[in-house]
Amino acid sequence: EDQVTQSPEALRLQEGESSSLNCSYTVSGLRGLFWYRQDPGKGPEFLFTLYSAGEEKEKERLKATLTKKESFLHITAPKPEDSATYLCAVAKAAGNKLTFGGGTRVLVKP
Amino acid sequence: DAGVTQSPTHLIKTRGQQVTLRCSPKSGHDTVSWYQQALGQGPQFIFQYYEEEERQRGNFPDRFSGHQFPNYSSELNVNALLLGDSALYLCASRQVSSYEQYFGPGTRLTVT
Repeated sequence: EDQVTQSPEALRLQEGESSSLNCSYTVSGLRGLFWYRQDPGKGPEFLFTLYSAGEEKEKERLKATLTKKESFLHITAPKPEDSATYLCAVAKAAGNKLTFGGGTRVLVKP
Repeated sequence: DAGVTQSPTHLIKTRGQQVTLRCSPKSGHDTVSWYQQALGQGPQFIFQYYEEEERQRGNFPDRFSGHQFPNYSSELNVNALLLGDSALYLCASRQVSSYEQYFGPGTRLTVT
């Protein structure tokens, strides 16, 4: 059975304190790994898609990387507005369902 | 360009009642999926619609049903509501040829 595990469950950072979030997965035939940001009470906002090991994507202070077993979301010099839950999901084939991890709640204090 | 829209925003229902949630996909998208997200958890896949047919279904009972209309919009119906159905219901849309799904703001359903 496909499994996606995110760690840590929660992360408290000081503004400017860089850190990484982990997403490990057990999926046969991975077609894509997705990162989303979710603010409280709102729908997930798409951030990145990674398709193959070694691939990297960047957006502002966020950088996502992918290996054969896990993905990392690096937050460089975070600001309070980066506070959110970050969700990782995998898909096994084009258009297939997304299987999500439990998310990492990030709080960045000024 | 309008993104995915959902209605209503919030809904309160009594146990045993039935509910209908609605979703309009992002412009240019033809495939709609529904997810249930309990508090503090990641979204769980309910089902996916394409060309007005259910194409894939997650581990949800038959009380959960859906429909897709010719304009690609979709409805999620839940019958015989249980307290455990209280959750944020998310609609996501994509182009059938793409991997990337875009989510709407969700409908918060509370069952009392």
